[in-house]
Amino acid sequence: DQQVKQNSPSLSVQEGRISILNCDYTNSMFDYFLWYKKYPAEGPTFLISISSIKDKNEDGRFTVFLNKSAKHLSLHIVPSQPGDSAVYFCAARVYSGGGADGLTFGKGTHLIIQP
Amino acid sequence: KAGVTQTPRYLIKTRGQQVTLSCSPISGHRSVSWYQQTPGQGLQFLFEYFSETQRNKGNFPGRFSGRQFSNSRSEMNVSTLELGDSALYLCASSSGAGGSGNTIYFGEGSWLTVV
Repeated sequence: DQQVKQNSPSLSVQEGRISILNCDYTNSMFDYFLWYKKYPAEGPTFLISISSIKDKNEDGRFTVFLNKSAKHLSLHIVPSQPGDSAVYFCAARVYSGGGADGLTFGKGTHLIIQP
Repeated sequence: KAGVTQTPRYLIKTRGQQVTLSCSPISGHRSVSWYQQTPGQGLQFLFEYFSETQRNKGNFPGRFSGRQFSNSRSEMNVSTLELGDSALYLCASSSGAGGSGNTIYFGEGSWLTVV
């Protein structure tokens, strides 16, 4: 049962345009969401996060939107640059009383920025 | 500020052997968690340690174990290795304090090949 879903395995965007990566989740107990970027043979690099009490968080070219009622979040990258080409993972966690559960990851979306 | 450091980066083991992987978290971080990445299953949570105590555990057999030392450094051990244990093993750290401490930073990973 996949609790975090990234339904687009790949996405191709022209340089300078907006990249929108989507993520859906099923567990209503998730209260913290993170986006990571990953190159082959490297560890994931943290990009941006959002708490469930917010609906938007911005950091430079990256903005994450959270729609709790739809159990949907998206990552916007504006403008897209060639160095953004990578696999992007959406992750979520539940913070229970005794500590945080581990991150639950989506399968990833391979973003390709075309010149 | 040094990032999460994992050793060794690459290793090859034979079926039936055991392996120990090491992780040094970001200075000041008290939470260390471990993840396994395989092509088929994606990124999956193994376990999390905070102040030398295992706080949470993913759905992996007992052959997978870990520990955390008083300096927050962590090791994970896999005994009786199987071919299916071939994977990228990622260590991650966070302050573990909740709020912004929910941000989790990953190391470069240890590539394990079981032959």
